[in-house]
Amino acid sequence: DAKTTQPTSMDCAEGRAANLPCNHSTISGNEYVYWYRQIHSQGPQYIIHGLKNNETNEMASLIITEDRKSSTLILPHATLRDTAVYYCIVRVVWDQGGKLIFGQGTELSVKP
Amino acid sequence: KAGVTQTPRYLIKTRGQQVTLSCSPISGHRSVSWYQQTPGQGLQFLFEYFSETQRNKGNFPGRFSGRQFSNSRSEMNVSTLELGDSALYLCASSYGTGGLRNEQFFGPGTRLTVL
Repeated sequence: DAKTTQPTSMDCAEGRAANLPCNHSTISGNEYVYWYRQIHSQGPQYIIHGLKNNETNEMASLIITEDRKSSTLILPHATLRDTAVYYCIVRVVWDQGGKLIFGQGTELSVKP
Repeated sequence: KAGVTQTPRYLIKTRGQQVTLSCSPISGHRSVSWYQQTPGQGLQFLFEYFSETQRNKGNFPGRFSGRQFSNSRSEMNVSTLELGDSALYLCASSYGTGGLRNEQFFGPGTRLTVL
């Protein structure tokens, strides 16, 4: 079973920041938080990952709370092309190889 | 650099038949993972291959099998197809297995319909 809880769906206005929350209250010390997204009819796409520090790349920012029990993925200026299902995943990167356990994700709709 | 390719993209089979799906990873990637996606169960991990060896296996019956070749290309096979096997089958590749920089890159998937 997935170790994360995400809202089923969210809306965001085009050009505004999209903030997608994820709860992972049972996360252990050696588990990282990963985010992927799946645009309709495509394979999932890696976005970002982190352990305990905030991370930023060209796609998004990841904010992890100090107790690591939750995190937020931020898309700073959402566009219509960001409409997708966003998956938050926790994993032990060294022991589980390539195995990803997906939950149901959050369906983000970016509206004009 | 070319992405992950999967063939065929669409496939229709009947119950009881078997099917083989193919995945070509990104050049230089040695790990290939397979996933099944259905509306009811979502994305589920099938298995992972690294250097021609199965490294991880998900909770699927033995009808689902796979292999990896020396050039890292992978195939998965489903025997005695059932209606419930209708799904999008996704392949993902990464440079290695595990580790911080081994993000997975997914292909477009093969849509299998079992009639």
